[in-house]
Amino acid sequence: SQKIEQNSEALNIQEGKTATLTCNYTNYSPAYLQWYRQDPGRGPVFLLLIRENEKEKRKERLKVTFDTTLKQSLFHITASQPADSATYLCADTDKLIFGTGTRLQVFP
Amino acid sequence: KAGVTQTPRYLIKTRGQQVTLSCSPISGHRSVSWYQQTPGQGLQFLFEYFSETQRNKGNFPGRFSGRQFSNSRSEMNVSTLELGDSALYLCASSFESGETPLHFGNGTRLTVT
Repeated sequence: SQKIEQNSEALNIQEGKTATLTCNYTNYSPAYLQWYRQDPGRGPVFLLLIRENEKEKRKERLKVTFDTTLKQSLFHITASQPADSATYLCADTDKLIFGTGTRLQVFP
Repeated sequence: KAGVTQTPRYLIKTRGQQVTLSCSPISGHRSVSWYQQTPGQGLQFLFEYFSETQRNKGNFPGRFSGRQFSNSRSEMNVSTLELGDSALYLCASSFESGETPLHFGNGTRLTVT
């Protein structure tokens, strides 16, 4: 079945470092992927969209890549801050499939 | 612009009861979709409504149903509640489906005892 998988283990990094989160898709090829941020007790908030024919997209400290060979999207936060601590979700909103999210914890 | 509003925020129900959750989308948004979020399964799609018509349906039993009104507000109903229905139920609206970003409400936390 079509799946999107994210590392469900928490990612702990030090403030100032670059956080890299992984989203793998299996058994199909999404036309695009969206990334969302979710804080505890809140709904997800849209961050970025990347299409399959785009290698990279940037928005301020955020960067997302799409590698159709590896069947993977990477989400980077550069110069991470404690305020970036949240769960990040990868989603194919065309097929209505969401990953389980990766919890990021940035320590001062 | 007001965001997506979901009511109530919290609900505690007993097994066998039924429940209705409400979602008011962002003004002008015609698509409303519903999701169940649990720690183990993540976000799972329930159904999507567009202009009062159900356009897509996820893989949930018939106990889960929904509807959309002419003002785009939507309701979701779960009948004969089971313990496993305990979850955060999220509603999202968008102007159109597809690439258009989803705008989520803060959800209704349902606990079934």
